[in-house]
This record gives sequence, structure tokens and C-alpha cells, in this order.
Amino acid sequence: QVQLVQSGSELKKPGASVKVSCKASGYTFTNFAINWVRQAPGQGLEWMGWINTNTGNPTYAPGLTGRFVFSLDTSVSTAYLQIGSLKAEDTAVYYCARAGFLMARGVIVGTWNWFDPWGQGTLVTVSS
Amino acid sequence: QSVLTQPPSVSAAPGQKVTISCSGSRSNIGKNFVCWYQQLPGTAPQLLIYDNDKRPSGIPDRFSGSKSGTSATLGITGLQTGDEADYYCGTWDNSLSLVVFGGGTKLTVL
Repeated sequence: QVQLVQSGSELKKPGASVKVSCKASGYTFTNFAINWVRQAPGQGLEWMGWINTNTGNPTYAPGLTGRFVFSLDTSVSTAYLQIGSLKAEDTAVYYCARAGFLMARGVIVGTWNWFDPWGQGTLVTVSS
Repeated sequence: QSVLTQPPSVSAAPGQKVTISCSGSRSNIGKNFVCWYQQLPGTAPQLLIYDNDKRPSGIPDRFSGSKSGTSATLGITGLQTGDEADYYCGTWDNSLSLVVFGGGTKLTVL
């Protein structure tokens, strides 16, 4: 079945970096986009952006700082989220989620705005 | 402060029906499809409704979605205790150029 499996929880100190993985299975990885969504403790969902699995081109939500980087390794059907210079306010569960490509004249111009399925989430805790 | 506005909580008895509203603006719900997610405690969100009123395979027809103007509604009939969860609406916002979510609604089945 289609599923996304994420790496395990991380405990990091402020200033460190972390890399979260999201391994896809059950479908052709490059046929769908991967989106990233975070959820701070007790809070709602916040879309972070998406990555084009055909080209590796990331699109970040406006306001998302350069500390966040999306990447891929298509040879193992895996997407990555790297966060640098971690701060306490980065503490959250980070989800990857699959979405279809939005096409215009045969060109990928975006991602659908609905996501299915989601990974199980990765808790990143930043604490000294 | 979420771009889409949902009631913080709703409640109803088992077997009853409940609706959850999601209010937006012309730049988001007014111009784009709406989706809904269910997030059971301690789990990842699961897609319930997409393109305003479509259900993915495996989602029971007790769940329904609708949209009118700049608002959308999720309906759940035949409530079960297993429906207790947080529910989120989502869509694209043309002005902000990002996917936006509601703040979430906690459903309690009394």
C-alpha cells in the first residue's frame, strides 16, 4: 500500500542541525510531490512547502527562513527536511505528505492542496 | 491566528449529526477547492474530504463536505466515539501563495 515512513524522534540542542527523512513506498516516487507540514505542541497545522520529485526543485512557504532545506534521493524514494541553527521554537512534529502535481500546459506548476497519505510524523525537540 | 476560521470545539451525542464550519475569504476558499483532515489523538492527519465534497476510498459516507462562497462545512452523521478527534480544513490562498489550514476543531462525542 502507499505509505510514507519517517525517521524517529530527535532531541537536539539549540544551534545544532537535524535531518528528517521520509521514505515512500507503494507508488512511483517521482509521480507525486512531497509536502512538509509542521505542528507545534498543542497547535494546528502549518504548511512549510513542497519539493518537485521530478526536478528536486523546492518551493518554500513565504516567511520560512533559509534554515529549512528540502532535498531528495530518488534512488531510494526518500525526501529529506534539514533544519539548521535549531531554536527552541522549532520544537514540533514534522510531517511529510504526498500530493499530486498541478499541471499547466504539460508543465508542473505546483502541488495539489490536499495531501494523502501523510507520514507518521517526526518529533523534533530542541532543548538545552 | 489562522487564515481559516473554525470553531474550537463541537460536541454531540453518539448517533447524532454534527457540522463543522470553516470560514475564509475570496482569496482562499472563494477561489479554491477545500479539503478536510481528521487527526486522531497522537496520530498523523488523515484526508477525509478533498475538492470540497469528494471522499477518498475507504472514507465512510457518514462524512460529507460542502462549500458555499467563502465558507465550507464538514458534516458527520451517525457519530461514534471513535470519531473523537481534531478536524482541520485546508485550501490554497492565492494572495499569500501558500496552503492554509484552519485552527482545528476538537470533536467530542458525549
